[in-house]
Amino acid sequence: QKEVEQNSGPLSVPEGAIASLNCTYSDRGSQSFFWYRQYSGKSPELIMSIYSNGDKEDGRFTAQLNKASQYVSLLIRDSQPSDSATYLCAVIPPTSGTYKYIFGTGTRLKVLA
Amino acid sequence: GAVVSQHPSWVICKSGTSVKIECRSLDFQATTMFWYRQFPKQSLMLMATSNEGSKATYEQGVEKDKFLINHASLTLSTLTVTSAHPEDSSFYICSARDPGKKLFFGSGTQLSVL
Repeated sequence: QKEVEQNSGPLSVPEGAIASLNCTYSDRGSQSFFWYRQYSGKSPELIMSIYSNGDKEDGRFTAQLNKASQYVSLLIRDSQPSDSATYLCAVIPPTSGTYKYIFGTGTRLKVLA
Repeated sequence: GAVVSQHPSWVICKSGTSVKIECRSLDFQATTMFWYRQFPKQSLMLMATSNEGSKATYEQGVEKDKFLINHASLTLSTLTVTSAHPEDSSFYICSARDPGKKLFFGSGTQLSVL
């Protein structure tokens, strides 16, 4: 089992719709979770971090964390074509002495105009 | 967010030459930096963890003699690809962890070895 799993996609949504991206992780003791966005040919950029169960909202983005079920999700409201990118989920497992991030393989999102 | 600067953005070199890539944390001190490699349409692959003032820790399968890492100060880590070959052509990305433990990435270096 991979430590951090994401559906590779592509996930296609129409412009204006809500895009829902999911991520599951294997280490139950993980405490820190992050979502990154990566455009083709560019490096990842941090979108959201979440540490506690529940929802965290930032503009059109909402991160959701459920530690009991070991999943973290990212919702993008009012999706725009400019949101089309690969979204990477990252987790810091508790055994990581140097806070080494474990990344999922990413979900490719396509927002159709 | 924190700023991590990476240079050069792209480099083309002949097979057998060495290439140095610099990664700087501009507005914070980073005791730990990470180097990744990414092939087209594939996920990030962690190559090594760079620790200020000590030896880097390499991931399994990464040749430490080929990918030399130096982290001589709290704001600078360098990756040198020695005797580069066409199969080393890839997108190399550095990252640094800020004091809040969030990871920020440099802009990446596209290496093409002819």
